[in-house]
Amino acid sequence: SQQGEEDPQALSIQEGENATMNCSYKTSINNLQWYRQNSGRGLVHLILIRSNEREKHSGRLRVTLDTSKKSSSLLITASRAADTASYFCATFGGYQKVTFGTGTKLQVIP
Amino acid sequence: NAGVMQNPRHLVRRRGQEARLRCSPMKGHSHVYWYRQLPEEGLKFMVYLQKENIIDESGMPKERFSAEFPKEGPSILRIQQVVRGDSAAYFCASSPGLAGGENTGELFFGEGSRLTVL
Repeated sequence: SQQGEEDPQALSIQEGENATMNCSYKTSINNLQWYRQNSGRGLVHLILIRSNEREKHSGRLRVTLDTSKKSSSLLITASRAADTASYFCATFGGYQKVTFGTGTKLQVIP
Repeated sequence: NAGVMQNPRHLVRRRGQEARLRCSPMKGHSHVYWYRQLPEEGLKFMVYLQKENIIDESGMPKERFSAEFPKEGPSILRIQQVVRGDSAAYFCASSPGLAGGENTGELFFGEGSRLTVL
């Protein structure tokens, strides 16, 4: 079963706009991670936020985590056509498997 | 430093044949995960292995599917008597585990093996 549900399922924006994706999960976690997948390729790790952190930045990426609501968001600022991909959140409980959400398909229109 | 290597990248099998997918983790990584992905869907966990041990196989179908990660050599995901519903992309990922003192669960993915069952 999927741990996370992502919202929206698909998102289409113009280049230069910001893209926000949300992830909700069900169980307690050690950390939450975001991955990117280009069409037909493997996943690439983007950023990790620990359960005791509320916000984290990496370049144009900003991730927030609200453990009381069991939710996270990924913000991509000043989007580029090259950001077009699917984005997945993943939860890690410390000793168990890494479980992925359903993904958000982002299209950035040049 | 080579990444996670999966082969074959593409595999075509007829119903009833066996499919064998291989995964060589990154150097120094002792944890391997296998995931299955249908077109336009997310990744579904199948199995989590450490060297010579299956840690969690809760996502593996009870029949026809097996996985191993021997002391030497790649991890193998084996599907016996394939059916059309097995057609999917199978991704392997590795992580260093407790190397460095903390297991963050950060995964490094291969490019996947795409199985087509005719």
